[in-house]
Amino acid sequence: DGGITQSPKYLFRKEGQNVTLSCEQNLNHDAMYWYRQDPGQGLRLIYYSQIVNDFQKGDIAEGYSVSREKKESFPLTVTSAQKNPTAFYLCASSIGDRDTDTQYFGPGTRLTVL
Amino acid sequence: KNQVEQSPQSLIILEGKNCTLQCNYTVSPFSNLRWYKQDTGRGPVSLTIMTFSENTKSNGRYTATLDADTKQSSLHITASQLSDSASYICVVRRPPYKYIFGTGTRLKVLA
Repeated sequence: DGGITQSPKYLFRKEGQNVTLSCEQNLNHDAMYWYRQDPGQGLRLIYYSQIVNDFQKGDIAEGYSVSREKKESFPLTVTSAQKNPTAFYLCASSIGDRDTDTQYFGPGTRLTVL
Repeated sequence: KNQVEQSPQSLIILEGKNCTLQCNYTVSPFSNLRWYKQDTGRGPVSLTIMTFSENTKSNGRYTATLDADTKQSSLHITASQLSDSASYICVVRRPPYKYIFGTGTRLKVLA
Protein backbone atom coordinates (compact mmCIF):
# COMPACT_ATOMS: atom_id res chain seq x y z
CA ASP A 1 0.00 0.00 0.00
CA GLY A 2 1.95 2.99 -1.28
CA GLY A 3 1.64 6.46 0.12
CA ILE A 4 2.89 9.16 2.41
CA THR A 5 2.18 9.00 6.11
CA GLN A 6 2.50 11.48 8.93
CA SER A 7 2.41 10.91 12.65
CA PRO A 8 1.03 11.71 15.04
CA LYS A 9 -2.27 13.11 13.76
CA TYR A 10 -2.60 15.38 16.80
CA LEU A 11 0.25 16.68 18.93
CA PHE A 12 0.21 18.84 22.02
CA ARG A 13 3.29 20.65 23.21
CA LYS A 14 4.09 22.74 26.19
CA GLU A 15 5.86 26.03 25.62
CA GLY A 16 9.62 25.61 25.60
CA GLN A 17 9.56 22.02 24.37
CA ASN A 18 10.92 20.72 21.10
CA VAL A 19 8.75 18.24 19.19
CA THR A 20 9.41 16.12 16.12
CA LEU A 21 6.83 15.40 13.44
CA SER A 22 7.28 12.26 11.41
CA CYS A 23 6.90 11.99 7.62
CA GLU A 24 7.47 8.73 5.77
CA GLN A 25 6.89 7.82 2.12
CA ASN A 26 7.20 4.52 0.27
CA LEU A 27 6.68 6.02 -3.19
CA ASN A 28 10.42 6.07 -3.95
CA HIS A 29 10.20 9.83 -4.37
CA ASP A 30 13.36 11.94 -4.33
CA ALA A 31 11.80 15.27 -3.31
CA MET A 32 10.09 15.94 0.01
CA TYR A 33 8.58 19.09 1.49
CA TRP A 34 7.20 20.49 4.73
CA TYR A 35 4.43 23.08 4.71
CA ARG A 36 2.56 24.92 7.38
CA GLN A 37 -1.14 25.77 6.99
CA ASP A 38 -2.82 28.47 9.07
CA PRO A 39 -6.48 29.55 8.87
CA GLY A 40 -7.09 32.06 6.09
CA GLN A 41 -3.60 31.63 4.65
CA GLY A 42 -2.15 29.61 1.84
CA LEU A 43 0.32 26.83 2.55
CA ARG A 44 3.80 28.15 3.33
CA LEU A 45 7.00 26.22 2.67
CA ILE A 46 9.18 25.47 5.69
CA TYR A 47 11.88 23.21 4.24
CA TYR A 48 12.36 21.04 1.19
CA SER A 49 14.76 18.32 0.17
CA GLN A 50 15.55 17.22 -3.36
CA ILE A 51 17.81 14.34 -2.42
CA VAL A 52 19.09 12.41 0.57
CA ASN A 53 21.44 14.33 2.87
CA ASP A 54 20.49 17.64 1.31
CA PHE A 55 17.77 20.16 2.19
CA GLN A 56 17.04 23.86 1.74
CA LYS A 57 15.16 26.46 3.75
CA GLY A 58 11.79 27.58 2.56
CA ASP A 59 10.03 30.85 3.30
CA ILE A 60 9.48 30.32 7.03
CA ALA A 61 12.33 28.08 8.25
CA GLU A 62 13.09 30.01 11.45
CA GLY A 63 12.44 27.87 14.52
CA TYR A 64 12.34 24.62 12.54
CA SER A 65 14.92 21.98 11.65
CA VAL A 66 14.90 18.91 9.42
CA SER A 67 17.05 15.94 8.45
CA ARG A 68 17.07 13.68 5.40
CA GLU A 69 19.18 10.68 6.31
CA LYS A 70 16.99 8.25 4.39
CA LYS A 71 15.13 8.67 1.11
CA GLU A 72 11.82 7.67 2.65
CA SER A 73 11.97 9.84 5.78
CA PHE A 74 11.93 13.61 6.32
CA PRO A 75 11.23 14.47 9.98
CA LEU A 76 10.52 18.02 11.07
CA THR A 77 11.51 19.34 14.48
CA VAL A 78 9.63 22.32 15.85
CA THR A 79 11.96 23.99 18.32
CA SER A 80 11.21 26.30 21.21
CA ALA A 81 12.52 29.13 19.04
CA GLN A 82 9.38 28.94 16.88
CA LYS A 83 7.23 31.69 18.38
CA ASN A 84 3.84 30.62 17.08
CA PRO A 85 3.96 26.89 16.32
CA THR A 86 0.26 26.08 16.62
CA ALA A 87 -0.75 25.09 13.08
CA PHE A 88 -1.56 22.24 10.71
CA TYR A 89 1.64 20.75 9.28
CA LEU A 90 1.66 19.00 5.92
CA CYS A 91 4.39 16.88 4.43
CA ALA A 92 4.52 16.23 0.69
CA SER A 93 6.67 14.31 -1.74
CA SER A 94 7.17 14.22 -5.49
CA ILE A 95 9.10 11.92 -7.78
CA GLY A 96 11.47 14.76 -8.55
CA ASP A 97 11.27 18.48 -8.82
CA ARG A 98 10.52 18.82 -12.49
CA ASP A 99 7.87 21.22 -13.69
CA THR A 100 4.93 18.86 -13.89
CA ASP A 101 5.80 16.43 -11.10
CA THR A 102 2.77 15.99 -8.89
CA GLN A 103 3.11 16.66 -5.18
CA TYR A 104 1.46 14.04 -2.98
CA PHE A 105 0.48 15.21 0.47
CA GLY A 106 0.28 13.32 3.71
CA PRO A 107 -2.75 13.51 6.02
CA GLY A 108 -1.18 16.21 8.19
CA THR A 109 -0.30 16.73 11.85
CA ARG A 110 -2.16 19.28 13.92
CA LEU A 111 0.18 20.78 16.52
CA THR A 112 -1.21 22.72 19.45
CA VAL A 113 0.92 24.55 21.96
CA LEU A 114 -0.58 24.63 25.43
CA LYS B 1 4.66 40.68 -5.66
CA ASN B 2 4.00 37.00 -6.42
CA GLN B 3 0.46 36.27 -5.32
CA VAL B 4 -2.38 33.88 -5.99
CA GLU B 5 -5.88 35.13 -5.21
CA GLN B 6 -8.97 32.98 -5.20
CA SER B 7 -12.64 33.86 -5.26
CA PRO B 8 -15.10 33.45 -3.81
CA GLN B 9 -13.79 32.69 -0.31
CA SER B 10 -16.73 30.40 0.28
CA LEU B 11 -19.63 29.07 -1.73
CA ILE B 12 -22.79 27.12 -0.95
CA ILE B 13 -24.64 25.28 -3.71
CA LEU B 14 -27.32 22.62 -3.97
CA GLU B 15 -26.46 19.09 -4.97
CA GLY B 16 -26.60 18.61 -8.73
CA LYS B 17 -25.80 22.23 -9.55
CA ASN B 18 -22.68 23.46 -11.34
CA CYS B 19 -20.23 26.01 -9.99
CA THR B 20 -17.09 27.85 -11.05
CA LEU B 21 -14.19 28.85 -8.84
CA GLN B 22 -11.77 31.59 -9.84
CA CYS B 23 -8.02 32.01 -9.48
CA ASN B 24 -6.00 35.09 -10.45
CA TYR B 25 -2.25 35.17 -10.14
CA THR B 26 0.57 37.64 -10.48
CA VAL B 27 3.37 35.09 -10.30
CA SER B 28 6.26 35.58 -12.69
CA PRO B 29 7.95 33.68 -14.14
CA PHE B 30 5.25 31.05 -14.42
CA SER B 31 5.76 27.33 -14.89
CA ASN B 32 2.39 25.71 -14.32
CA LEU B 33 -0.87 26.03 -12.41
CA ARG B 34 -2.42 23.35 -10.24
CA TRP B 35 -5.76 22.81 -8.58
CA TYR B 36 -6.02 20.76 -5.41
CA LYS B 37 -8.98 19.51 -3.38
CA GLN B 38 -8.56 19.48 0.39
CA ASP B 39 -11.06 17.81 2.68
CA THR B 40 -11.26 19.22 6.19
CA GLY B 41 -8.36 18.02 8.32
CA ARG B 42 -6.72 16.16 5.44
CA GLY B 43 -3.92 16.78 3.00
CA PRO B 44 -4.61 18.30 -0.44
CA VAL B 45 -5.11 15.99 -3.41
CA SER B 46 -4.11 17.02 -6.92
CA LEU B 47 -6.93 17.53 -9.45
CA THR B 48 -5.13 19.03 -12.45
CA ILE B 49 -1.79 20.45 -13.57
CA MET B 50 -1.80 22.91 -16.47
CA THR B 51 1.26 24.23 -18.25
CA PHE B 52 1.58 27.54 -20.05
CA SER B 53 0.39 26.12 -23.37
CA GLU B 54 -2.72 24.34 -22.08
CA ASN B 55 -6.10 26.08 -22.07
CA THR B 56 -8.34 23.36 -20.68
CA LYS B 57 -7.90 20.16 -18.74
CA SER B 58 -10.57 17.84 -17.37
CA ASN B 59 -10.60 15.29 -14.59
CA GLY B 60 -14.02 13.68 -14.42
CA ARG B 61 -16.54 16.32 -13.37
CA TYR B 62 -13.76 18.86 -12.81
CA THR B 63 -12.66 21.10 -15.70
CA ALA B 64 -9.88 23.63 -15.29
CA THR B 65 -9.19 26.48 -17.70
CA LEU B 66 -6.16 28.69 -17.98
CA ASP B 67 -5.66 32.04 -19.70
CA ALA B 68 -1.94 32.76 -19.40
CA ASP B 69 -2.36 36.18 -21.03
CA THR B 70 -4.75 37.48 -18.38
CA LYS B 71 -3.24 35.26 -15.67
CA GLN B 72 -6.57 33.76 -14.76
CA SER B 73 -7.73 30.22 -14.15
CA SER B 74 -11.05 28.70 -13.27
CA LEU B 75 -12.22 25.36 -11.94
CA HIS B 76 -15.66 24.28 -13.07
CA ILE B 77 -17.48 21.54 -11.19
CA THR B 78 -20.33 19.87 -13.02
CA ALA B 79 -23.31 18.16 -11.38
CA SER B 80 -22.00 18.69 -7.88
CA GLN B 81 -22.15 15.92 -5.29
CA LEU B 82 -22.11 16.04 -1.50
CA SER B 83 -18.57 14.64 -1.60
CA ASP B 84 -17.42 17.75 -3.47
CA SER B 85 -17.70 19.69 -0.20
CA ALA B 86 -14.10 20.71 0.47
CA SER B 87 -11.62 23.51 0.01
CA TYR B 88 -10.21 23.99 -3.49
CA ILE B 89 -6.73 25.42 -3.67
CA CYS B 90 -5.07 27.04 -6.67
CA VAL B 91 -1.28 26.72 -6.76
CA VAL B 92 1.15 28.36 -9.17
CA ARG B 93 4.62 26.99 -9.68
CA ARG B 94 7.35 29.55 -10.07
CA PRO B 95 10.54 27.97 -11.37
CA PRO B 96 12.73 26.49 -10.28
CA TYR B 97 11.38 25.24 -6.97
CA LYS B 98 8.75 27.54 -5.57
CA TYR B 99 5.01 26.94 -5.22
CA ILE B 100 2.69 29.86 -4.46
CA PHE B 101 -0.54 28.72 -2.80
CA GLY B 102 -3.86 30.52 -2.81
CA THR B 103 -5.95 30.65 0.34
CA GLY B 104 -8.62 28.42 -1.18
CA THR B 105 -12.35 28.47 -1.83
CA ARG B 106 -14.44 26.57 0.68
CA LEU B 107 -17.29 24.81 -1.12
CA LYS B 108 -20.32 23.40 0.66
CA VAL B 109 -22.76 21.22 -1.28
CA LEU B 110 -26.18 20.83 0.31
CA ALA B 111 -28.67 18.02 -0.25
